[in-house]
This record gives sequence, structure tokens and C-alpha cells, in this order.
Amino acid sequence: DGGITQSPKYLFRKEGQNVTLSCEQNLNHDAMYWYRQDPGQGLRLIYYSQIVNDFQKGDIAEGYSVSREKKESFPLTVTSAQKNPTAFYLCASRRTGARGGNIQYFGAGTRLSVL
Amino acid sequence: GIQVEQSPPDLILQEGANSTLRCNFSDSVNNLQWFHQNPWGQLINLFYIPSGTKQNGRLSATTVATERYSLLYISSSQTTDSGVYFCAVAVQETSGSRLTFGEGTQLTVNP
Repeated sequence: DGGITQSPKYLFRKEGQNVTLSCEQNLNHDAMYWYRQDPGQGLRLIYYSQIVNDFQKGDIAEGYSVSREKKESFPLTVTSAQKNPTAFYLCASRRTGARGGNIQYFGAGTRLSVL
Repeated sequence: GIQVEQSPPDLILQEGANSTLRCNFSDSVNNLQWFHQNPWGQLINLFYIPSGTKQNGRLSATTVATERYSLLYISSSQTTDSGVYFCAVAVQETSGSRLTFGEGTQLTVNP
């Protein structure tokens, strides 16, 4: 099936630990995005990438890092510098270009909790 | 940055009722999407509608770009329509199109 796969569905982090959330897409989309959602709120943009080996900070990038070594993969690392990491994390992708290039599609999300 | 306001924040309906959800935004946009977030957190695309009107079954949406608002209509609501409805907009930038989300409308449809 074509789509966006996020793993794991649930993740627990210990104090001082870095954890990495996986996002893979087989839609051949150029752009990929990471969002954070806190309870009862909308989504906020963490990082995004338009092409391989290039990415930009979103509105809440502090305490997070990303890489984009392959077109289909955009992993997010939650570092120990992120003091309040408990949230729901959603990955999205978008096909750039004039024809249908503005629609973002989302994965099923990863719930991160601190032990 | 661009501001997105959704109303009402909460809505409770009886099955079969109709409803209108509103999204106001503070600047010109080249992307507007409506999503339904199900109880498991999955965001489901409902409409891509930066302008004009679209319909899909019991759902329809209208965006009046010149007046900076969009409406989502749900007719003959069902219990499965319950969840959170988000409006998200984007302004094209040199480095790509970033979505800004509203706070959502929590819809509860009672049997």
C-alpha cells in the first residue's frame, strides 16, 4: 500500500535520553514535515524538508533534530534538551509542483511519553 | 505569522442534525485543508479548498478567499462524525508551503 508509515506507535523516553521517531513514505513525495500536537491543541510545525539533504526549522525546533539522507525517510530525534517531550508526533509529506502539489498527507503518529 | 481561528471550539449534536464549522484566517493563502482527527489520532484529509466550493457526500466546504474564511458543512450527522475537525492554511514561501493549524472544533454526535 502507498502511504506514510510512522514507527513506533508508542515510545517512552527516560530522563537524559535521546530517542528517534521514524517516518517513511513511498508516495515519491519531495517534501516532508514533522508536527507536534499537545492535548486539546492544534498541530505545530517542528521541522520540514523540501528536498534531500536540506531541511528548515519550523516554529518549535528547539530540542529536536532531523536528517534527510533519502527521499523516502525523514527521522526526527527528540534530544535531552527538549524538556517537555510528552506529545503526539505526526509526520506528513507533500508532492511539490503545480499539479496537486499543495496537499499534505499524514501518517498515523507516534505517542511519546517520559518515564 | 498567519493566524487561524476556528469556531465553535466545541459542538454537541443529536444524530441527524446539520452543523457548520467556521475557519477564519488572517492573510492570503494558497492552501487550505480541512481534516478530521479520529479517536486514534489519525488525521484524515477531508478537503483541499483554497477557494470555491466542494462536496463529498454529506460533507461540503466553501472558502471565500477574499474575505479570509472557510466553512465546513456536515449534514445528517452520524456518531462516526465525532472527533476533532481542523482547518489548516499555508502561505507559499521560498522554502516551501508550511501549514498553520487552528485549535480545532471538537464535535460530539450523540445517538
